[in-house]
Amino acid sequence: EAEVAQSPRYKITEKSQAVAFWCDPISGHATLYWYRQILGQGPELLVQFQDESVVDDSQLPKDRFSAERLKGVDSTLKIQPAELGDSAMYLCASSLGVSGRAGETQYFGPGTRLLVL
Amino acid sequence: AQSVTQLDSQVPVFEEAPVELRCNYSSSVSVYLFWYVQYPNQGLQLLLKYLSGSTLVKGINGFEAEFNKSQTSFHLRKPSVHISDTAEYFCAVTNFGNEKLTFGTGTRLTIIP
Repeated sequence: EAEVAQSPRYKITEKSQAVAFWCDPISGHATLYWYRQILGQGPELLVQFQDESVVDDSQLPKDRFSAERLKGVDSTLKIQPAELGDSAMYLCASSLGVSGRAGETQYFGPGTRLLVL
Repeated sequence: AQSVTQLDSQVPVFEEAPVELRCNYSSSVSVYLFWYVQYPNQGLQLLLKYLSGSTLVKGINGFEAEFNKSQTSFHLRKPSVHISDTAEYFCAVTNFGNEKLTFGTGTRLTIIP
């Protein structure tokens, strides 16, 4: 069964350093999402891509976070510089992204757990 | 704007007993509702979803949920739980034409042997 791949699974960094997370969605999925899940809370959407275009990045802290999906396949989320409050699980998800089809299932990867010291 | 409230942060249940995890939503338009499960140190897996039609939705692992529009609820139930059901459960909502999922804060289900 196809899965969403993420790496690394765990990352420890010091504040003010740069970190990057990688996501490879299920083949053929046009829509890709990055979520942040703080311990004890539900996931919160950071950015949504449709193919290579950003659809929604309203909750992305753009002064330090950036995301790209250059060829409309895999994606990278970067934080520079990292702050203590960025410690969280970063989840990537993908869906088929058929235009006008609401309620599509989002398939989640295993996540990257980030600890900022 | 849409929101989800999961009233119970933790639910302990004896093995083989029934369980209900509560979810209430708020939205000004028609909604689609989801339940996801998250096992320790893993991503989220879809249990079931309601889009339209029958208000009773059956999902994987013996779970089911009932959509109640008048009470704006989408409670998750299982008649007999197993140790393997120990996990965090998230209710989520989205609207027609908007794929953005809004999640609740989650309910941690603990099964007592």
